[in-house]
Amino acid sequence: EAGVVQSPRYKIIEKKQPVAFWCNPISGHNTLYWYLQNLGQGPELLIRYENEEAVDDSQLPKDRFSAERLKGVDSTLKIQPAELGDSAVYLCASSSRETLNEQFFGPGTRLTVL
Amino acid sequence: GNSVTQMEGPVTLSEEAFLTINCTYTATGYPSLFWYVQYPGEGLQLLLKATKADDKGSNKGFEATYRKETTSFHLEKGSVQVSDSAVYFCALFSGGSNYKLTFGKGTLLTVNP
Repeated sequence: EAGVVQSPRYKIIEKKQPVAFWCNPISGHNTLYWYLQNLGQGPELLIRYENEEAVDDSQLPKDRFSAERLKGVDSTLKIQPAELGDSAVYLCASSSRETLNEQFFGPGTRLTVL
Repeated sequence: GNSVTQMEGPVTLSEEAFLTINCTYTATGYPSLFWYVQYPGEGLQLLLKATKADDKGSNKGFEATYRKETTSFHLEKGSVQVSDSAVYFCALFSGGSNYKLTFGKGTLLTVNP
């Protein structure tokens, strides 16, 4: 069974440029999470989807960050415009109804903003 | 709100040494507790978990026991290997209004041959 897929794995951009990250969860997993992991820190939740609905986006900085999961499967996280402080690893995770509290993580996208 | 406090690293051990990484938590209700491991260049992998008090999670020689009286979930391994070198994260999940994993800051473990 394929795990959580994320792309790109690495991205380097200049500040003020837009950037997008893509995530494909494990097949059949209805819950999808985006986490932000700063250097030397544990991941912190940005947004959680149940199918196509964003049920918790309280930690998403909505002035520059947006996310979508239009068909309730794969998801895109966007930053526009990027700032130097956005340099971090962006992790995607998914879970299923049967294992509500066990989340499976993708390899992450490491973003560097210059 | 929920929080997790982990032993600060880095931790450096020789092969076959005993490992303990301390983890304590603050949470409402009865959380589930986890240890995740992150190898260099890879994503987080679930190492072990415990869902109720006095449960012991174990995997790959690692163990942790859910201690409600001390709100702790310390990770232990009797004999570490070079391949155990990684960052270890303690985390909790309590559901309800905190329907998310709350992580500690992580502990970098380096095992030397």
